[in-house]
Amino acid sequence: NAGVTQTPKFRVLKTGQSMTLLCAQDMNHEYMYWYRQDPGMGLRLIHYSVGEGTTAKGEVPDGYNVSRLKKQNFLLGLESAAPSQTSVYFCASSYGVTGSSYNEQFFGPGTRLTVL
Amino acid sequence: AQKITQTQPGMFVQEKEAVTLDCTYDTSDPSYGLFWYKQPSSGEMIFLIYQGSYDQQNATEGRYSLNFQKARKSANLVISASQLGDSAMYFCAPGRLSNFGNEKLTFGTGTRLTIIP
Repeated sequence: NAGVTQTPKFRVLKTGQSMTLLCAQDMNHEYMYWYRQDPGMGLRLIHYSVGEGTTAKGEVPDGYNVSRLKKQNFLLGLESAAPSQTSVYFCASSYGVTGSSYNEQFFGPGTRLTVL
Repeated sequence: AQKITQTQPGMFVQEKEAVTLDCTYDTSDPSYGLFWYKQPSSGEMIFLIYQGSYDQQNATEGRYSLNFQKARKSANLVISASQLGDSAMYFCAPGRLSNFGNEKLTFGTGTRLTIIP
């Protein structure tokens, strides 16, 4: 049981390049989330998904796209990276409506992205 | 957007002492409780404890307990008998039980706790 995994762990991009971050969970969770964490700040929600085939915008969605083609995977895309997107990106998942009474989110280890 | 306030950017505590980390939030939804997460220097986010808004008693989980004051919209985390491994960033986040649907979390800016030997 790996929990929530993220690929890659580190990445350096040049301005204008594109990339995709992969999040995978093996807990059969319905809900999945992408957050970013900037230095000295808490996590901010980028996009989330409440089930396979669904996505929705979070607090800071501009410049990102997501897809949830399979229940266990949630992809975060940057079409044209900008230095302002330098951050640590966390993926999380939770059971959803039918889950535990806490419905706490389980987090991946993070991806450190630098855009030059 | 919800506003979450953690007024202590950093705290230093002697090992084995108790420590209280403050958190207040401004949601008007009475169904919201509060999650606390720990982020050690390794970076992962670890769930610690949750206080439901309708819970009659303060939540406890091992050395962690919450001092929940619903009217003041605050849920302070108390760590008893602090250990060196407690040194980390601590984030609070308002949230709701699963029966109410999606659990988008908004995190505070965190408190960096350092335990001194």
